[in-house]
Amino acid sequence: QKEVEQDPGPLSVPEGAIVSLNCTYSNSAFQYFMWYRQYSRKGPELLMYTYSSGNKEDGRFTAQVDKSSKYISLFIRDSQPSDSATYLCAMRDSGYSTLTFGKGTMLLVSP
Amino acid sequence: DTAVSQTPKYLVTQMGNDKSIKCEQNLGHDTMYWYKQDSKKFLKIMFSYNNKELIINETVPNRFSPKSPDKAHLNLHINSLELGDSAVYFCASSQETAARQQYFGPGTRLTVT
Repeated sequence: QKEVEQDPGPLSVPEGAIVSLNCTYSNSAFQYFMWYRQYSRKGPELLMYTYSSGNKEDGRFTAQVDKSSKYISLFIRDSQPSDSATYLCAMRDSGYSTLTFGKGTMLLVSP
Repeated sequence: DTAVSQTPKYLVTQMGNDKSIKCEQNLGHDTMYWYKQDSKKFLKIMFSYNNKELIINETVPNRFSPKSPDKAHLNLHINSLELGDSAVYFCASSQETAARQQYFGPGTRLTVT
């Protein structure tokens, strides 16, 4: 079983839809959870960061972490064509600097 | 005002050749990384340097050798290139080793023929 599982998609939605992106993980030591966005032919950029369990909201984006289920989510409200990208979840434990990435979910938002 | 830059952006070469990829960051960060992203988009850490010292060396063939001449630069040299080395290589940097945010470069797309 891979450490971080993420559905590769593609996930196609119309503009304005609510998008839900998810990752599951197996390592209970993971404490820090991130979502990176990667546009085509570009490097990933940090979108959201959450420590331990809970929710975090930033504009149209909400990150949720459920450590008991080893499940994290990213919600995008009022999705825009400019949100079309690959979304990678990443996580690490409290002491180790290496990030473990999911394979990424490709999101396509059509106008 | 590019934060993390890599050269070249594209690299096409034949099997058996030796090639280098250069990375520079102007963010004043102490830690730099090399990642490999394969054709299935899986992003995997290869190396990490902190203040020019190697701190992470994942299971990577010895043909890959990173070099950090100073804190702002981390180069990757690859000997005897193989078909399986074809991938996008990303350089990244962060303020410290346990930083939550890593800043990625634009990537170098390596194709080995």
